[in-house]
Amino acid sequence: GNSVTQMEGPVTLSEEAFLTINCTYTATGYPSLFWYVQYPGEGLQLLLKATKADDKGSNKGFEATYRKETTSFHLEKGSVQVSDSAVYFCALEEVLSGSARQLTFGSGTQLTVLP
Amino acid sequence: DTGVSQDPRHKITKRGQNVTFRCDPISEHNRLYWYRQTLGQGPEFLTYFQNEAQLEKSRLLSDRFSAERPKGSFSTLEIQRTEQGDSAMYLCASRPGQGPNTEAFFGQGTRLTVV
Repeated sequence: GNSVTQMEGPVTLSEEAFLTINCTYTATGYPSLFWYVQYPGEGLQLLLKATKADDKGSNKGFEATYRKETTSFHLEKGSVQVSDSAVYFCALEEVLSGSARQLTFGSGTQLTVLP
Repeated sequence: DTGVSQDPRHKITKRGQNVTFRCDPISEHNRLYWYRQTLGQGPEFLTYFQNEAQLEKSRLLSDRFSAERPKGSFSTLEIQRTEQGDSAMYLCASRPGQGPNTEAFFGQGTRLTVV
């Protein structure tokens, strides 16, 4: 079945440091890939997505590139801020049947950015 | 606020009791999902509705779990004869349209504690 594996956390960085959170997936075919973020006390929010190989998703300074050769979708940011402290989830879109689709998530990575 | 709304936010119940959670999706979204999230894990898919039709329910955790969306608007998730292992965050999400790659919007969840 489909699955997503994320690097284990927690990750603690100083402000302005470079961030990488690794994500690899196992899937049939080439699913769309997503990063969701969960800020403290809030619901999951879409951060970025990529729908086909070599696509780069980007938002709020975060980037991830869909790499089918390595089945990866690593999240990066060049300079993190304290406000980026959150839990980050990598996900793929799984076809249930027909047009029915749902998301399969990784276990999440807690990021804490210190001032 | 026009986001996904879940009620209650917190529920404490004794083992063996039945509980019901409500989800109000974004009004124009025809697709609705229920997920369960345990501590330190990503959301785990439970069931999916397209309008009032429950198109996928094989991943409900046991026959104690059931969900409805009677008029294609709000949905309820019921757990009968709760067990301590049911303690988790229950998330609802909604999506517009029928195609792939559209954003899923998540509620803040209902945290269930079974004592």
